[in-house]
Amino acid sequence: GENVEQHPSTLSVQEGDSAVIKCTYSDSASNYFPWYKQELGKGPQLIIDIRSNVGEKKDQRIAVTLNKTAKHFSLHITETQPEDSAVYFCASIMTGNQFYFGTGTSLTVIP
Amino acid sequence: NAGVTQTPKFQVLKTGQSMTLQCAQDMNHNSMYWYRQDPGMGLRLIYYSASEGTTDKGEVPNGYNVSRLNKREFSLRLESAAPSQTSVYFCASSHISPSRAGSQPQHFGDGTRLSIL
Repeated sequence: GENVEQHPSTLSVQEGDSAVIKCTYSDSASNYFPWYKQELGKGPQLIIDIRSNVGEKKDQRIAVTLNKTAKHFSLHITETQPEDSAVYFCASIMTGNQFYFGTGTSLTVIP
Repeated sequence: NAGVTQTPKFQVLKTGQSMTLQCAQDMNHNSMYWYRQDPGMGLRLIYYSASEGTTDKGEVPNGYNVSRLNKREFSLRLESAAPSQTSVYFCASSHISPSRAGSQPQHFGDGTRLSIL
């Protein structure tokens, strides 16, 4: 099956700085890569996703990049704010198959 | 606008007791999933149901059973709870296109926090 590795496991940044979280995957057939944000006591919420036919996608302060050759994809958060503090999960999926999640990154934005 | 609803939110059991975790979605999704979340291990798939009437094992199915009651509801049962099953359990749902148009995101409930003593 697929193997998804996520780094770093914890990340602290000053408010206003950028944060980058990276995931690697093993199966070249994977074609969909969502990112989830999980706040304390809540379930994961989708924040952005990218498909294998696209190299980059942006949504306001959040962007995701995909390098299919290297089999890695990254989440970029710019101008971080305290409300960005949460646990972030990446995932990879082959069409119609189950999701494989990374182990999560705990992001702390220091005011 | 409920999305995915899980009950109960919290539960404490004694070793050997049984219980059923309930999940319902109102988004007309055809696929539903049960995960457990443990510190440092991310989300691990227990069972999933690709469509009404079908269920399949995920990564960690031992000690669990599931029932896809109808399109909306997917329950998870612990027949004889063990301390190793102490975890946070999440239900999720998604739409899987019958064509090869690509996967769709999963939508999660807020979890059931289960402690087994």
